[in-house]
Amino acid sequence: QKEVEQDPGPLSVPEGAIVSLNCTYSNSAFQYFMWYRQYSRKGPELLMYTYSSGNKEDGRFTAQVDKSSKYISLFIRDSQPSDSATYLCAMTPNQGGKLIFGQGTELSVKP
Amino acid sequence: GAGVSQTPSNKVTEKGKYVELRCDPISGHTALYWYRQSLGQGPEFLIYFQGTGAADDSGLPNDRFFAVRPEGSVSTLKIQRTERGDSAVYLCASSLMAGTNTGELFFGEGSRLTVL
Repeated sequence: QKEVEQDPGPLSVPEGAIVSLNCTYSNSAFQYFMWYRQYSRKGPELLMYTYSSGNKEDGRFTAQVDKSSKYISLFIRDSQPSDSATYLCAMTPNQGGKLIFGQGTELSVKP
Repeated sequence: GAGVSQTPSNKVTEKGKYVELRCDPISGHTALYWYRQSLGQGPEFLIYFQGTGAADDSGLPNDRFFAVRPEGSVSTLKIQRTERGDSAVYLCASSLMAGTNTGELFFGEGSRLTVL
């Protein structure tokens, strides 16, 4: 079993929809949680960063972490075609360089 | 340059050959990371450097893989006796300083390696 599980999709939604992406993990030591966005043939770019449990909002994006359930989510409101990409969750137990990534969920937002 | 630069962007080689992949991090970034990404998968950690030294090389799959960063800036990932299973996109990332780990890794666009 992988340390981080993420449904690969693909997920297809109409423009303006609310999108919910999530990951589960098995290592209770994970403390830092991130969401990266990766466009085709590009490197991942950081979207959201959260420490421990709780919610964080940035514009149309909201990240949630529930450590008791070992479950993290990313919500995208008013989705746009430009949001079409692969979304990767990533996490690490402590301050250091080794991020563990999920498989990535491929999202397509149709106009 | 403004971002992380990786060369070559594409490399096709034959099984058994030696390959070098180069990463030029963002100026001033002391931490440098190598990841490998296979089709349909998330990035898989290989190694990271803090300055010139490898702080964690636990992700290197076997002794055919080696990475150096002799002057604490540019890094080279070296793969000996390549195998078809080595085919993947090799991503390099840098950050201002490992140990703070806000998660802000800045990735390059990757080097796409195909082993025939």
